[in-house]
Amino acid sequence: KQEVTQIPAALSVPEGENLVLNCSFTDSAIYNLQWFRQDPGKGLTSLLLIQSSQREQTSGRLNASLDKSSGRSTLYIAASQPGDSATYLCAAPKTSYDKVIFGPGTSLSVIP
Amino acid sequence: DTEVTQTPKHLVMGMTNKKSLKCEQHMGHRAMYWYKQKAKKPPELMFVYSYEKLSINESVPSRFSPECPNSSLLNLHLHALQPEDSALYLCASRPGGDTGELFFGEGSRLTVL
Repeated sequence: KQEVTQIPAALSVPEGENLVLNCSFTDSAIYNLQWFRQDPGKGLTSLLLIQSSQREQTSGRLNASLDKSSGRSTLYIAASQPGDSATYLCAAPKTSYDKVIFGPGTSLSVIP
Repeated sequence: DTEVTQTPKHLVMGMTNKKSLKCEQHMGHRAMYWYKQKAKKPPELMFVYSYEKLSINESVPSRFSPECPNSSLLNLHLHALQPEDSALYLCASRPGGDTGELFFGEGSRLTVL
């Protein structure tokens, strides 16, 4: 049974710091794992999708890794900026590849 | 075109009203989703249509009625809602099958008086 958790729940860092967000899942037989960001009151923006056969994906200052055996994914943000302030959510399929469920999210605040 | 378009952006309705939320995508995606999101909570899955057939219903009350008229459109019909149904309703789509990125619309903010 797939459960998705995220640590920390909230994070506040000064501008310029590198940071790591964590996502854990209980069922290692996932099809893929996706990271999103959400600004207040807005929809979700896809950041990175990692297929089950991949170990990591990179986009600009973002790097996401996947370790299926340990049930973990990390999102690494380099040289954080105030514009990175948002809630970051990870999502993975549960029981079937259509049933995509979300972790509780990490609220990130980058202080200028 | 990588857009999922939702209308209306905001909706206020009374508990006796009937209204609908609409979602449209032209990416050729074959799976479409409705999620409900309350403040400071993650999206909760409500319904999934796969190849225009309802494949997942997460025990959603019958006052929410989904409809998929064709592969590009998804509706959510609302009737006799309760104030606790006030939330952001998000539509999403993905190509279908065991891979594929989930794309979201901007959501419809629903307030039930």
